[in-house]
Amino acid sequence: AQSVTQPDIHITVSEGASLELRCNYSYGATPYLFWYVQSPGQGLQLLLKYFSGDTLVQGIKGFEAEFKRSQSSFNLRKPSVHWSDAAEYFCAVVGGTYKYIFGTGTRLKVLA
Amino acid sequence: DAGVTQSPTHLIKTRGQQVTLRCSPKSGHDTVSWYQQALGQGPQFIFQYYEEEERQRGNFPDRFSGHQFPNYSSELNVNALLLGDSALYLCASSLVAREFDEQYFGPGTRLTVT
Repeated sequence: AQSVTQPDIHITVSEGASLELRCNYSYGATPYLFWYVQSPGQGLQLLLKYFSGDTLVQGIKGFEAEFKRSQSSFNLRKPSVHWSDAAEYFCAVVGGTYKYIFGTGTRLKVLA
Repeated sequence: DAGVTQSPTHLIKTRGQQVTLRCSPKSGHDTVSWYQQALGQGPQFIFQYYEEEERQRGNFPDRFSGHQFPNYSSELNVNALLLGDSALYLCASSLVAREFDEQYFGPGTRLTVT
């Protein structure tokens, strides 16, 4: 069965520092992977997605993610965090069943 | 271009009551999915509708039912509400032709069951 694990429930970084949010997935075939961001009281906005090809994908707002099949990971990174990046981040996987499986999320706090 | 819209924004119901939530998909989209997001959790897939039929269903009881209309809008109905049904309900739309592509999410309906 498909599953997604986001091991970090909360992460706090200083503004300007680099960021890495972890995501591990379980899926038998090549997965379709997504990172979404959710600001308080809002729906989810897509940051980036991976279907195939180049394992380093670029997204909006300066985010990137790297797909590592050997580690079943799809970690999200940003070289310099801005205060406006404070939000909750969700990793998701979808396979052959049309069902998106989301992780439990990582809440990011940014210190001024 | 209008994105995904949901109504109402907030709703308070009593245990045992029934509730209907509404969703209009992004223009040009033909597939609607519904998710339940409990506090502090990720969205949980409820079901997906395409061509007015339920195409896939998650692990939710039959108390949760839905409908899709010819204009692709959708409703989520929950009967016999329980306290545990309190959550943010998200609607997402997509194109069936791009079945594993991005889903566009609405802002959600916050349901509180007392």
